Amino acid sequence: EVQLVESGGGLVQPGGSLRLSCAASGFTFGRFWMTWVRQAPGKGLEWVASIKQDGSETYYADSVEGRFTISRDNAKNSLYLQMNSLRVEDTAVYYCARDRGEEELWLVWDYWGQGTMVSVSS
Amino acid sequence: DIQMTQFPSSVSASVGDRVTITCRASQEFGRWSAWYQQKPGKAPKLLIYAASTLQSGVPSRFSASASGTHFTLTISSLQPEDFATYYCQQAKSFPLTFGGGTKVE
Repeated sequence: EVQLVESGGGLVQPGGSLRLSCAASGFTFGRFWMTWVRQAPGKGLEWVASIKQDGSETYYADSVEGRFTISRDNAKNSLYLQMNSLRVEDTAVYYCARDRGEEELWLVWDYWGQGTMVSVSS
Repeated sequence: DIQMTQFPSSVSASVGDRVTITCRASQEFGRWSAWYQQKPGKAPKLLIYAASTLQSGVPSRFSASASGTHFTLTISSLQPEDFATYYCQQAKSFPLTFGGGTKVE
C-alpha cells in the first residue's frame, strides 16, 4: 500500500525556518517525481515545488522561489521541504504528492499524504 | 504562466442531478489537465488525468472532456459521497496551476 506521511509542521514566527519531511512507503520512491502542494485555510490548492527522481531537476512556484528548497533522499525514501524566511502568507496545510507516472512525468498526482499544518504568526 | 479559471465557484445540487463544472485556460495546451475531488479535512483525490482518462477506481459517473481552452468535468448522477470541492489543474508546464475550485453542495 502506497503511503505518504508528512511531518515537521508547526507554529513559527515570521522570518523563521521550518523543515518538512515526507516519508514514503509501498512503492519504489526513487522512480517517481515528487511534489509539494499547499492549501491556505479556507483557500484552494497551490503547487509549491517539484523534484525529479534523482534530484537533478527542481521547480518552484514564484511565491517560494529563493526561500524554499525541495530535496529528497532516495536511500531513506524521504522527501523534504526546507522553508526559510517564512511569511504569514505561507500559512497552509502542506501536502506531499507522488506523480502518477513511474519513470515518466505526468505532473498530476495519484497519491497524497494527509498534510502537515504550517502556521506563521507572531 | 497558464491561468485556470474555474466556474461556478459553487453549485447547489441534489442526489441524482447531473453536475457540470468548467475550467477555462488562459492558453491552449492540449490535453495536459487533471481533475481532483477534495472533501473537508482530507487530501485531494485524483479523478481524471489527460483531460478525460478516468483514474483507476473512480466511478464511471465521472467523466471529463476538453475542447480548446475549455475543460469540463461532469458527474452524471450525483451521489451522496460526491458532495465535495472539485479542482482542475493544468499539467502542461511549470508553474503548475489549479482552478479556484467548485464546491458542490
